[in-house]
Amino acid sequence: EVQLVESGGGLVKPGESLRLSCAASGLSFSSYNMNWVRQAPGKGLEWVSSISRSSTYIYYADSLKGRFTISRDNAKNSLYLQMNSLRAEDTAVYYCARELVEPGTPFDTWGQGTLVTVSS
Amino acid sequence: DIQMTQSPTSLSASVGDRVTITCRASESISRFLNWYQQKPGKAPKLLIYAASSLQSEVPSRFSGGGSGTDFTLTISSLQPEDSATYYCQQSYSTVFTFGPGTKVEIK
Repeated sequence: EVQLVESGGGLVKPGESLRLSCAASGLSFSSYNMNWVRQAPGKGLEWVSSISRSSTYIYYADSLKGRFTISRDNAKNSLYLQMNSLRAEDTAVYYCARELVEPGTPFDTWGQGTLVTVSS
Repeated sequence: DIQMTQSPTSLSASVGDRVTITCRASESISRFLNWYQQKPGKAPKLLIYAASSLQSEVPSRFSGGGSGTDFTLTISSLQPEDSATYYCQQSYSTVFTFGPGTKVEIK
């Protein structure tokens, strides 16, 4: 069974940093582009970042303004999101998602999400 | 960035009704359009990819159409378990974007 499990969320103060992890199992992790998507409480989905299979191509939502860094370790079947200078508006459930190698490159597998709360 | 809009914002329909949700892109995205269903407290679930391809194990009452800037998601016969929020997402550009969502409720 393909499974993605996020971890690392929690309560932090504005300006602090946090590193999220996503552990993949049941798939050939290095064969897929991976993504982070977030959802603020009661709001819609917001794409955050994507990383290609060998980390050659990395993209971010413009709204992040260089505060977040996506990375992966294919040997450990893991995806990461380093979040710096956190703001209240970064409060959200953060999901990792696998990008299928299909027309439309959809996200077919999602983790359960990890909650990040930024509050003083 | 490519902006996505959806209409309606919400709808209420009866079991058995035909329901259509519209998604519009701010520029042409060919058929790089995916649809997701999300229920409260759960991760999104892929329904339709590449505008009209049905994801494996998704009921055939769901269908997608469109190309360019205008797309639709249709539920041919609404079922109680279809109560959820539906999001479109473009994957044409390297910066992916989601629509704001359409909440579907059962009367």
